[in-house]
Formats: sequence, C-alpha cells, structure tokens
Amino acid sequence: GAGVSQSPSNKVTEKGKDVELRCDPISGHTALYWYRQRLGQGLEFLIYFQGNSAPDKSGLPSDRFSAERTGESVSTLTIQRTQQEDSAVYLCASSLAVSGGQGEQFFGPGTRLTVL
Amino acid sequence: AQSVTQLGSHVSVSEGALVLLRCNYSSSVPPYLFWYVQYPNQGLQLLLKYTTGATLVKGINGFEAEFKKSETSFHLTKPSAHMSDAAEYFCAVSDQDQAGTALIFGKGTTLSVSS
Repeated sequence: GAGVSQSPSNKVTEKGKDVELRCDPISGHTALYWYRQRLGQGLEFLIYFQGNSAPDKSGLPSDRFSAERTGESVSTLTIQRTQQEDSAVYLCASSLAVSGGQGEQFFGPGTRLTVL
Repeated sequence: AQSVTQLGSHVSVSEGALVLLRCNYSSSVPPYLFWYVQYPNQGLQLLLKYTTGATLVKGINGFEAEFKKSETSFHLTKPSAHMSDAAEYFCAVSDQDQAGTALIFGKGTTLSVSS
C-alpha cells in the first residue's frame, strides 16, 4: 500500500506570499501530524489532528500558520505572508489511533520550502 | 515538559566498528521512546521503539537500544557498522499518558561510515 505522500516536494516562494502544503496520509490512519525541520535542528511539532476532535495547535509558531483536515483524509498546511525564517522541510506523519502514544508514526518525504 | 538530548551532532566510525549514538530524555511520566533514521532525500523511518516490558529493544538493520530508567537514557547501538548505515538518526519521546501524542525529537546525530 502507499505510504504518506506530500506535495509539492519543493517550493520556492517570495517573502510575503502565501503557500499551501498538502499531505495525504495512509488510508485508515486517523491521526495526522505536521512537523517542521529547520536546517541543523530536530523536528518541531506544529499541529496534530485526531479523528473529529479539535486539533492540537499548540506547536504552531504564529497566527500565520494554519492547517485543515477533511475528515480522516487529506490535510493542508497554509503559511500566510511567508518570512525567510519559515524556510524549512515540512514533514507530515500519520498513525493509527493507539492510546498512550504507542502508535508508530509514518512519515512522508517532506516538502522543502525556501522563502527568498 | 519532555525533552530529548542527543550527545554529538556528528559521529564518525569505520566500517565494521561499533556504532553508539547517545540519547538522554527528560520526562515526568513514563515515556515511550523511539529512534528514527533519515536517509538522504528520504522521509523518516522507524528503527525501533520502547513502550513497556523488556528494556533491550531490537530494531531493523541490526540496531538495538536499551532503556535505562536510572540514567534516563536510550542509547542506540550496532555491533558492526556498514556503509549503508550512513544517515541521520533522531531520538524521540512521547508521553504514555496522552493518547496519540506528538513526538518530541532530539536535534539528530549524523552518522558517517568510512571504509
């Protein structure tokens, strides 16, 4: 079966423009996560969706960042008025809804965002 | 709050040598612990995880890690390095008490293997 897919794989944009990143999770995975990986840094948690529950947005760095998920399928991460510090690889992961954080998270290949 | 510290951003070994990648965590509750590997231009792949039970965990590609509560450590080892092991390795922790919680990652350790 297909893994987690993300598009585009690379995105170059100008400062101040809006960008939209897409994630297709593994079918049947109710949990979906967005992370950011800046150069030389570990992964930073951004946002988490679990089924129809309200998303955990505690990791979003500013109100320029938002994300949506339709049911238990596709998710989009939107960054408005991009800044150079937004340049990073944005990773999406999905997992089965296993209690206590046991569920293995399966990662997509990421979207490399470069803000000029 | 949970945190993960990976000692050494870069580790270099010779092919056939022991691989030791260090990870220490901070958690106020029993943790779940993970090691992920990221090969160049690829997504993260789970190497192994500790949830409960046996503290020595075996993963893919000959890697293993031991959970030591007294040392708050979860170091990753492999007896004999192979060229194909060159990659970036991330240690991560999650909270046992929270369902489906996000992972807290260390900053990663880049492993280089020379012939």
